Amino acid sequence: DMKVTQMPRYLIKRMGENVLLECGQDMSHETMYWYRQDPGLGLQLIYISYDVDSNSEGDIPKGYRVSRKKREHFSLILDSAKTNQTSVYFCASSLSSQTLYFGSGTRLTVL
Amino acid sequence: AQKVTQTQTSISVMEKTTVTMDCVYETQDSSYFLFWYKQTASGEIVFLIRQDSYKKENATVGHYSLNFQKPKSSIGLIITATQIEDSAVYFCAMRETGNYKYVFGAGTRLKVIA
Repeated sequence: DMKVTQMPRYLIKRMGENVLLECGQDMSHETMYWYRQDPGLGLQLIYISYDVDSNSEGDIPKGYRVSRKKREHFSLILDSAKTNQTSVYFCASSLSSQTLYFGSGTRLTVL
Repeated sequence: AQKVTQTQTSISVMEKTTVTMDCVYETQDSSYFLFWYKQTASGEIVFLIRQDSYKKENATVGHYSLNFQKPKSSIGLIITATQIEDSAVYFCAMRETGNYKYVFGAGTRLKVIA
């Protein structure tokens, strides 16, 4: 069963705290993504990972970093979270040029 | 640079009718892929249908079909015999061949009324 799993589903943090969002996939997809979704803005690309330890900035990487040490796991890290990073974060994966599959999302609130 | 535009913010239709959602895109590439995704009320984003730019025939999956007009850089999503559960936000997306980046439109909210 092809699946992209995100943890946690909901997260509340205080400004200045560190945040770790985790994503896993069981499809052996090389490429993984982190997007954020804000009302009226659609999905904005934060980072792309082409494979283990091969990552590239997307359109809005500022304030974020990523880690991919295993092909099936891709983490998004917010060092010292800010209130404007309150959003819904989606992880996704794809195989070569094929369809993008999404996780269920993490709703992050930074107070 | 890639760009995807969905001009319809929201649409309401009666159940069992047909609806078309518009999407136009910009690309310098001659080869690319176009996708439609559905975001349900729970927030899940689900892949619906895809069109490869080199294919002349419009893709069809179930009660979803595409109206691909390459000269107009347009890829409309057609839903026939709409059902209440089709109520959702629909996103159009594009990916150029050789580019790993998927670019999304802002989405169209569809409401199907009984």
